[in-house]
Amino acid sequence: AQKVTQAQTEISVVEKEDVTLDCVYETRDTTYYLFWYKQPPSGELVFLIRRNSFDEQNEISGRYSWNFQKSTSSFNFTITASQVVDSAVYFCALRGNMLTFGGGTRLMVKP
Amino acid sequence: ETGVTQTPRHLVMGMTNKKSLKCEQHLGHNAMYWYKQSAKKPLELMFVYSLEERVENNSVPSRFSPECPNSSHLFLHLHTLQPEDSALYLCASSQDAGSAGNTIYFGEGSWLTVV
Repeated sequence: AQKVTQAQTEISVVEKEDVTLDCVYETRDTTYYLFWYKQPPSGELVFLIRRNSFDEQNEISGRYSWNFQKSTSSFNFTITASQVVDSAVYFCALRGNMLTFGGGTRLMVKP
Repeated sequence: ETGVTQTPRHLVMGMTNKKSLKCEQHLGHNAMYWYKQSAKKPLELMFVYSLEERVENNSVPSRFSPECPNSSHLFLHLHTLQPEDSALYLCASSQDAGSAGNTIYFGEGSWLTVV
């Protein structure tokens, strides 16, 4: 069985602070993919990144960065210099034979 | 602009009504999905279609009836719903249903309220 845990249900920061969203997963699959999605208040789930289980390189895209550590089954997401527009619910997901979502972390960035 | 569009964005319906949610994908994908997102619950997969054929039905009550007339369109027909069916219904698509590496792209969702 697969499981994705996002222990932080809600995080509140002040604009320009850095913030890390945690994601821990469980799977018996040897090949799998990890995803992060952003869900603003409008409802759409916006795809942010996909990572396969054989690629542990960290990735940076602008203010976003991702740290994949297979040894700890974690795929954490950091936003540097947060902005109000980053306020949303962020979902981590795991796809092996099926796609499993974590419970989401609500990020509130205050001006 | 999203590659997956859903209509209507908001729907309020009585328990005896019949309504439909519509989804269209402009990405040339072969697989389409319906997900349900309720408050305080993780995203739940409802149905999966691959090349217009239903490949997965996750024990969804029969008051939800999907229809996939072609690989670009997906409907969710609703009848005699219950208030607990009020949720955000998300349509999604991916290149193929079976490949773990395919990214699933979501629409903006249809907010459904059953009164």
